[in-house]
Amino acid sequence: SYVLTQAPSVSVAPGQTARIPCGGNNIGGKSVHWYQQKPGQAPLLVVYDDRDRPSGIPERFSGSNSENTATLTISRVEAGDEADYYCQVWDRSGDHAEFGGGTKLTVL
Amino acid sequence: QVTLKESGPALVKVTQTLTLTCTFSGFSLNTRGMRVSWIRQPPGKALEWLARIDWDDDEFFSTSLQTRLTISKDTSKNQVVLTMTNMDPGDTATYYCARSTKHAGSFDYWGQGTLVTVSS
Repeated sequence: SYVLTQAPSVSVAPGQTARIPCGGNNIGGKSVHWYQQKPGQAPLLVVYDDRDRPSGIPERFSGSNSENTATLTISRVEAGDEADYYCQVWDRSGDHAEFGGGTKLTVL
Repeated sequence: QVTLKESGPALVKVTQTLTLTCTFSGFSLNTRGMRVSWIRQPPGKALEWLARIDWDDDEFFSTSLQTRLTISKDTSKNQVVLTMTNMDPGDTATYYCARSTKHAGSFDYWGQGTLVTVSS
């Protein structure tokens, strides 16, 4: 199966930029989606198809994807951005979805 | 307005079969492109995709769990049902249903989730 690798945690001060990587073999050839999950809540889609934002998601959230790493970037981080973030792709070889292990974003 | 809601037992015993229902509104599984997946999350752990059913009755399953899963839809009731056989304490998790609209697309709407505990 296709493996997505995420760092367990990322810390950033308020107002700074957080970059959350998601590694995968030739992930640049896949569409990557990102979800934010706060404690006790269902995941929320924040970026889809590598770099597009759903309606209502602030422009501070952006995505990129190239070669073996996709990245979720959160600019001007706020305390309310503290959450777990998951990347996700569809593995066409096995015809199933895969999630990364998640990254806990801590706002210092 | 798209909504999804999971329902089912909060507690099941080891070896029993789990049946979960996802009741949705705001879209139809008769509409081309619509898809509903089941995803679970053990306490404190990562999300795990389980299965998906599409508007055209295509079905997809997690490789590791496919022998234990079935998925079906009732378009007249706007429901998708997941069954998982031979439940084990390791299956204790919050189970979510979610919608997607493309084959490799994102899950754009999620239910609130339902916690299922497997007891021995």
